[in-house]
Amino acid sequence: GENVEQHPSTLSVQEGDSAVIKCTYSDSASNYFPWYKQELGKGPQLIIDIRSNVGEKKDQRIAVTLNKTAKHFSLHITETQPEDSAVYFCAASPGRRALTFGSGTRLQVQP
Amino acid sequence: GAGVSQSPSNKVTEKGKDVELRCDPISGHTALYWYRQSLGQGLEFLIYFQGNSAPDKSGLPSDRFSAERTGGSVSTLTIQRTQQEDSAVYLCASSLGGQGGEQFFGPGTRLTVL
Repeated sequence: GENVEQHPSTLSVQEGDSAVIKCTYSDSASNYFPWYKQELGKGPQLIIDIRSNVGEKKDQRIAVTLNKTAKHFSLHITETQPEDSAVYFCAASPGRRALTFGSGTRLQVQP
Repeated sequence: GAGVSQSPSNKVTEKGKDVELRCDPISGHTALYWYRQSLGQGLEFLIYFQGNSAPDKSGLPSDRFSAERTGGSVSTLTIQRTQQEDSAVYLCASSLGGQGGEQFFGPGTRLTVL
């Protein structure tokens, strides 16, 4: 089955700096790669996703890149703000299947 | 609201008791998923329902865990003879189905087994 590795487990940045979180996956059949943000006491919320026919996707301050050959994908957050502080999860799926999640990254943005 | 709802929000039980956790998906979503999140950990897949197809039970950790989805809508996750290692947050998600659609998560049920 699919295995997703996520790094780093914790990340502290200064407000205004960029944050990068990286994930690798093992199943070459995976074609859907979402990123979720989870705030304390809440369920995860989708912030951006990418499919395997696209190499990069941007949505305002958030971007995701995908390298299918190397089987890795990354989340980039620019101009970080204190409200970006949360736990971020990457995930992968071959479609019509449940997601396999990474272990999460706790992002702390220092004001 | 029109989001995924789960009940109860918190459940404390004694070791050996059975518990039932409920999930109300978004209306019209054909796919429903259960995940488990242990403290400080990622989400572990448990079971997946898609329309009228047989559920994918490959993530259930033992035969003490079961789930059903009645009428293609509400789902119940049952844990029999609970153990302390079952303590976790149980998250339900639903999606429109199809190829890798967005999964919308509920707030979860925090289960504590004493």
